Amino acid sequence: NAGVMQNPRHLVRRRGQEARLRCSPMKGHSHVYWYRQLPEEGLKFMVYLQKENIIDESGMPKERFSAEFPKEGPSILRIQQVVRGDSAAYFCASSAGLNTEAFFGQGTRLTVV
Amino acid sequence: AQTVTQSQPEMSVQEAETVTLSCTYDTSESDYYLFWYKQPPSRQMILVIRQEAYKQQNATENRFSVNFQKAAKSFSLKISDSQLGDAAMYFCAYRLVQGAQKLVFGQGTRLTINP
Repeated sequence: NAGVMQNPRHLVRRRGQEARLRCSPMKGHSHVYWYRQLPEEGLKFMVYLQKENIIDESGMPKERFSAEFPKEGPSILRIQQVVRGDSAAYFCASSAGLNTEAFFGQGTRLTVV
Repeated sequence: AQTVTQSQPEMSVQEAETVTLSCTYDTSESDYYLFWYKQPPSRQMILVIRQEAYKQQNATENRFSVNFQKAAKSFSLKISDSQLGDAAMYFCAYRLVQGAQKLVFGQGTRLTINP
């Protein structure tokens, strides 16, 4: 049973470009969480999704950021018109349901140049 | 709002010795989980130990144990017989049992093991 898979592991974008980060949850998991980790800081919650639904997006910036988890395929975190301050590691976690353990992927390190 | 504070940015310990990492949190809820995660240089977030707030008994996992003081809102991690592979960032985290499923993390403590 493969773990949570995130790709790419590293992503470099120029200012103003779009970044797409993908997360394939563990088999049987229908809950996905996205977190952002700035350098030398802890992880900060961004968004919580179940299949086709956004449950909690209280940590998402109001502009440029969006997330989806379609019926088929991975969850996508999309950042439009990236700026230098978006440079961070973005982690995805998945769980089988409420109050079950969440397993983390290895993260995507986004660098905006 | 719930907050988690780790007051030790860095800690070091001699191999085979014992080290304790501190964590305090603030919440008005009574039913929640507390976690310690390890993040080695590979960046993988690895769950070390978990504590349910309703349980008075401190959780233990092999060389890792916690000191959970609910009234003081304190949740420290003790690592016994430290090994070189324990070197990593350690994050304390909080999550409600009911309602919001998001984890709230502390700032982290970088643990160095001296051979």
